Parts: sequence; structure tokens; C-alpha cells
Amino acid sequence: SAVISQKPSRDICQRGTSLTIQCQVDSQVTMMFWYRQQPGQSLTLIATANQGSEATYESGFVIDKFPISRPNLTFSTLTVSNMSPEDSSIYLCSAMTPFTDTQYFGPGTRLTVL
Amino acid sequence: AQSVTQLDSHVSVSEGTPVLLRCNYSSSYSPSLFWYVQHPNKGLQLLLKYTSAATLVKGINGFEAEFKKSETSFHLTKPSAHMSDAAEYFCVVSFTASKLTFGTGTRLQVTL
Repeated sequence: SAVISQKPSRDICQRGTSLTIQCQVDSQVTMMFWYRQQPGQSLTLIATANQGSEATYESGFVIDKFPISRPNLTFSTLTVSNMSPEDSSIYLCSAMTPFTDTQYFGPGTRLTVL
Repeated sequence: AQSVTQLDSHVSVSEGTPVLLRCNYSSSYSPSLFWYVQHPNKGLQLLLKYTSAATLVKGINGFEAEFKKSETSFHLTKPSAHMSDAAEYFCVVSFTASKLTFGTGTRLQVTL
């Protein structure tokens, strides 16, 4: 398994600002992902964070709004840009360990946009 | 296309009684299936996974799930509920490791 930490755990932000969320894994992993969980709903995949190259975004998510970096095998960031109240959600990072098809999740970042 | 349906949005049981959380999936191939649990204000924790090795899968905290291909089901059970089991449970289907499809979740309430 993998132990995943995220920072910050929660934040309250003003409309129009940006927030960068960090995700750190305690061991080398093959793939890293970012998900959004809107209030009372299930998880939706935002993108796959690729090491050393541009992230792969799912339909409905764009790089200008959710820029992602992954400079090495154990660290990734997600930025929520030009925020609006509709961006209020929990953002979760996940990672997959080598030779498994299992994703392990971080504790999430609870974002509230006023 | 793959999809997963959790048949109950909310289940309430008394402490000490059995738990049954229902999940059906649709697919053209044999998928990997997972159950995750999310306690209030926490991230997701893997309970168990099915990857074709055995149809009855045992997970953590006394939970288990049975894969039934003929019924395209993967229901989660526990013989005796505990107060600490109160949480949101997600059934998840995957054909490739990078694509998880989440069910809408079942909120389990455990009463005294």
C-alpha cells in the first residue's frame, strides 16, 4: 500500500483567487490522480498526473482551470484557478503502487469558495 | 461502457445485526471491483478488491463481498455491525487501473 498526505487539509478562499494543493506519497508509485467530490456526491476524476509531462485531463476539465504538476514519482500539485463558489468541493489525490491495480487515496482537501 | 449502480443511497441497521450493501455493475468484460469506505471528514480507505482470483473476497474490519458474474453483482456484507462502521461506502469498477468508475455511494447508519 501507499500512505498519501495532502496539504492543506482545508481552506476557505475568496472568489477569483487560486489555491494549490500538494500531494505527497511515502513510496514510489506508478500513477497519480486527482479527483473532485462535490458536496453530497461521488468522486469524479479530474486528471492523471504524468511525471515530467502534461497531465491527461478528463472530459469537462481543462488545464487552464486545473493546472497539475508532477515533478517526480512521489509528489504532485493541483491548482484550482480563478475560483468560484461552484469549485467548493473536496479534492482528493490518489496513487497506484507498482504491480497492482489498486488506487490509494489521500485524506482530501476541503475547499470552500466564498 | 462500464457502469456501477449502488441500489441503496441509505441503509440503517442496528448494532450487532448484519449489513448488506448492494452493488451491480455492467460491463462486457470481467472488471476489477472494489469497495471503499469514507468516514466523515476523511479520505477513502480500501476495504477490499476483486480481481478474479476468488469470488468471495475478504476485506478489513470483518467485511466481505461476493462476486456473482451471473447476477453482475458485488454486494458487501458484514455479519455484525459496529457503531464505528457508520460511514459512506462506494462500490467501484475498473477495467484499467487508471479508470475507476464510482457508484453514487451508500450511507450506512448504525443505531443502538
